[in-house]
Amino acid sequence: AQSVTQLGSHVSVSEGALVLLRCNYSSSVPPYLFWYVQYPNQGLQLLLKYTTGATLVKGINGFEAEFKKSETSFHLTKPSAHMSDAAEYFCAVTHTGGFKTIFGAGTRLFVKA
Amino acid sequence: DVKVTQSSRYLVKRTGEKVFLECVQDMDHENMFWYRQDPGLGLRLIYFSYDVKMKEKGDIPEGYSVSREKKERFSLILESASTNQTSMYLCASSGGQGSGYTFGSGTRLTVV
Repeated sequence: AQSVTQLGSHVSVSEGALVLLRCNYSSSVPPYLFWYVQYPNQGLQLLLKYTTGATLVKGINGFEAEFKKSETSFHLTKPSAHMSDAAEYFCAVTHTGGFKTIFGAGTRLFVKA
Repeated sequence: DVKVTQSSRYLVKRTGEKVFLECVQDMDHENMFWYRQDPGLGLRLIYFSYDVKMKEKGDIPEGYSVSREKKERFSLILESASTNQTSMYLCASSGGQGSGYTFGSGTRLTVV
């Protein structure tokens, strides 16, 4: 069975600091991996995805994530946080051959001035 | 710009009412999904559909039904609304397994 674990329900960083949001997954087959962002009272927006090929993927708003198969991880990073990055972030996994996507519980990012 | 449109942003209904939540996508996507989102519980899949007139139960289908008469429209129905169905409801569509989801803006439903 698939599962997605996001370490830390809340993360707080200072403006300009590195953002690191952690995601680990379990899947019996190679997965597709996604990060989504949700701003208050809105739906989720796709930030980036890994399907095949290069393990370091770049997304919108300066975010990137690296697929590490040996660690079953897909952590999200951004070199320098901006106030506008404050939102909730969800990691998600779909296994190849399946329709359903499993979402992590989410990590709320706070950015301090 | 591609879109998933949910008919209402906020809705207040009374216990026992039949409630319809509408979702329309303009991307010609095969797959559509209904989730509910609750604090501390994340997103939970209610129903999904991979073709017109096809539907599959998700993880929490009890108390809900769905309808997909046309490819672009996927409706969620609360047969008899209850207070424990107060939640944020999110509709999404997808063109395939590796393409990710496009979400609507959500409907915040309050059942009183």
